[in-house]
Amino acid sequence: AQRVTQPEKLLSVFKGAPVELKCNYSYSGSPELFWYVQYSRQRLQLLLRHISRESIKGFTADLNKGETSFHLKKPFAQEEDSAMYYCALAQGGSEKLVFGKGTKLTVNP
Amino acid sequence: GAGVSQSPRYKVAKRGQDVALRCDPISGHVSLFWYQQALGQGPEFLTYFQNEAQLDKSGLPSDRFFAERPEGSVSTLKIQRTQQEDSAVYLCASSPWGGNTGELFFGEGSRLTVL
Repeated sequence: AQRVTQPEKLLSVFKGAPVELKCNYSYSGSPELFWYVQYSRQRLQLLLRHISRESIKGFTADLNKGETSFHLKKPFAQEEDSAMYYCALAQGGSEKLVFGKGTKLTVNP
Repeated sequence: GAGVSQSPRYKVAKRGQDVALRCDPISGHVSLFWYQQALGQGPEFLTYFQNEAQLDKSGLPSDRFFAERPEGSVSTLKIQRTQQEDSAVYLCASSPWGGNTGELFFGEGSRLTVL
């Protein structure tokens, strides 16, 4: 069965510090991985997807099939990065997303 | 340029009552999803439509849950004989394609509280 694990419920860093939000997945096929973000009082929205290999708002994420991980990283955190972050997996050929439980990131001034 | 719209935003029901939650997807979006998000949890898949066809309802927790999208646009999630464990935020999402892209556009959710 597909499963997405985000081991940290809460993560707190200071502005300018590096940040890494962890995501591990369990899936036997070829997964497609995504990061979604929900800022305070806003709706859930896509941040980035692994197939695009893009950097959005300074965030990057690399799919590591050996470690079954898709950690989200940013070298210098900003206060506006404070939000809930959800890692999600789509089974190849399916539009259905399986979400992790989320990590609440707080960036302190 | 409205996004996905859900109503009501908040609903309080007494245990045993029936509720109906509405979702207006972005115009022209082919795919529509319903997710349930309990407090402190991530969204959990309930069901998926491609146009009017319900292609996957594997996440519906019981036969008290029913979803429809009769004309391939607006969708309604109905919960019969509500129970306290149904209390959650119900999220609707749509996407423009029928394929696998992973970009879902979410509504603000309908928060259901069952007393």
